[in-house]
Amino acid sequence: EAGVVQSPRYKIIEKKQPVAFWCNPISGHNTLYWYRQNLGQGPELLIRYENEEAVDDSQLPKDRFSAERLKGVDSTLKIQPAELGDSAVYLCASSPYGSNTEAFFGQGTRLTVV
Amino acid sequence: SQQGEEDPQALSIQEGENATMNCSYKTSINNLQWYRQNSGRGLVHLILIRSNEREKHSGRLRVTLDTSKKSSSLLITASRAADTASYFCAANSGGGADGLTFGKGTHLIIQP
Repeated sequence: EAGVVQSPRYKIIEKKQPVAFWCNPISGHNTLYWYRQNLGQGPELLIRYENEEAVDDSQLPKDRFSAERLKGVDSTLKIQPAELGDSAVYLCASSPYGSNTEAFFGQGTRLTVV
Repeated sequence: SQQGEEDPQALSIQEGENATMNCSYKTSINNLQWYRQNSGRGLVHLILIRSNEREKHSGRLRVTLDTSKKSSSLLITASRAADTASYFCAANSGGGADGLTFGKGTHLIIQP
């Protein structure tokens, strides 16, 4: 069974440019998460989807960040415009619906803003 | 905000020794989970302990949970060089993997 797939693995952009990340969760997983992980820190939740509905986006900086999961399967996370402080690893994870389940993570996209 | 806090931040031990990492959290939880992250990779789930459980084992891993102290510990026995990684606890305040809040992690180095 394929795991959570993210692309690209690495991205280098200049500040003020837009950038997009893509995530394909494990088949059948209703819940999808986007996390941001700064160097030496734990992942911080940006947004959580239940199917196509964003049920928790309280930590998403909505002035520059947007996300979508139109068909309740794969998802994209966009930053426009990017700032130097956005440099981090962006992790996507998915989990099946139900209590006491684990999250399955992708390899992440390492973003460097110069 | 990060609810889980691991202690110590870094730990270096000899191969074959046991490694113990601690985690504290702030609010009530449904379960607590431990994850491992190798350098430059995604997180891998290790073990989940429910709020009504006090101890759980999985291979060389032993996890305890004390809800009265809002703390958990992860013990890795007979450590191996391949155990070198960062370990994170994640407090789950809701059902499923909802509301997983991660700590800053413990960086474990196993010296051969």
